[in-house]
Parts: sequence; structure tokens; C-alpha cells
Amino acid sequence: DQQVKQNSPSLSVQEGRISILNCDYTNSMFDYFLWYKKYPAEGPTFLISISSIKDKNEDGRFTVFLNKSAKHLSLHIVPSQPGDSAVYFCAASVRGATNKLIFGTGTLLAVQP
Amino acid sequence: KAGVTQTPRYLIKTRGQQVTLSCSPISGHRSVSWYQQTPGQGLQFLFEYFSETQRNKGNFPGRFSGRQFSNSRSEMNVSTLELGDSALYLCASSGLTGPNTGELFFGEGSRLTVL
Repeated sequence: DQQVKQNSPSLSVQEGRISILNCDYTNSMFDYFLWYKKYPAEGPTFLISISSIKDKNEDGRFTVFLNKSAKHLSLHIVPSQPGDSAVYFCAASVRGATNKLIFGTGTLLAVQP
Repeated sequence: KAGVTQTPRYLIKTRGQQVTLSCSPISGHRSVSWYQQTPGQGLQFLFEYFSETQRNKGNFPGRFSGRQFSNSRSEMNVSTLELGDSALYLCASSGLTGPNTGELFFGEGSRLTVL
């Protein structure tokens, strides 16, 4: 049972435009939601997180939105840059076991120059 | 500050063999987690160790085991390898001891191929 779902395997965006990556979840017990970025042959790196009690968190070009009623979160990247091209994983931490992350299957973002 | 180091980076084994993977966390980090990444499955949690004790466990068979040493270094072992065990095995460390956001620092992974 996939508790965290990323339904878009890939996304292509023009440089300078907005990239929107989406994620859905099923478990109401998730404490935090996180986004990780992964380049080929490297481990995932943490990008941004949001507490389950918030609805928005912003860090520079990256903003994460959480819609608890829809059990949906999204990552906005504005403006998109070619260096943002990578696989983006959505993840959720379980209340009481915060280092046990449940990951989505990832979305490959390609930012075209 | 050195990052999370995993060895070996690549290895090839045959079915039925066993394998041991090693992970050195960031200095001062006491929590080490292991994840398996396969195409189409994303990253799946294997287990987490903290102060030499397994603190959390995922839904993997008993062929997958791990341990942590007093210096926080960790090893994971897979016995009786199957073709489906071919994957990238990622180790992650965390420096926080209590409730936190789940921010983990990942190594580059060990790519296991089972023939």
C-alpha cells in the first residue's frame, strides 16, 4: 500500500518558468512532509520540509504547500533553472518515528534552457 | 565536515550469496537509517539504529539485518541473495535525538547487482 504517491513520473519545464511537483498521501498520522532532490550517482539531499500543522513553507525559490483536507502537498520552484533538473522525492515522517521516512516514487524534473 | 560514507560503492553477487554493506555517518550523528531504492518503488525504509539499538524497522524479510557499533558506524547484511535484491542501498544519518523534521543526510549508496 503506497502511503505517499507521486503520480507524475516526469515533468518538463522551460527555464525561468514555474515548476510544480505534486504529492498525495493517505495517512493522517504523518508529522512532517519533506522534499528531497536526487542527482544521478548521488544520494538524495534535503530540500525543504513542512510541519503537518502548517500550510505553507518558503525557502528562497522553493515553496511547499500543504492541503490537509485533500491530503495533498506540492513543491513550487520559481524561477526554474537548468540545475534544478533532478529526481524529486516527496517523503513523510511518521509521528513517533521521525527518522522512518515514507517516500514517494519520485518525479523526474527536466528544466529546458 | 565529512559526509556519510558508504562502502563498497558497487558490487556484484550471485544468488544465494550474502553481502555486507558499511556506512560511516557524519561525525557526531548517532542515528543511522538504511533504505532500499529500486526502479519504480522509490526509497523503502529498512531499519534505523540509534546508540547501537534498532529503533525502527521496515517491512523486509529477516534476510535483511543490520547492526550499529559504538562509534555509530553501521553495517547491513543481506543473506541468501535473490535477484530482486538488486538495488541501490542508501544509508542516512541524523544528528537529532528527539522529535525532529525527519531531515536526513544520505550517502551516495551501494549499488548491488545480484546475478
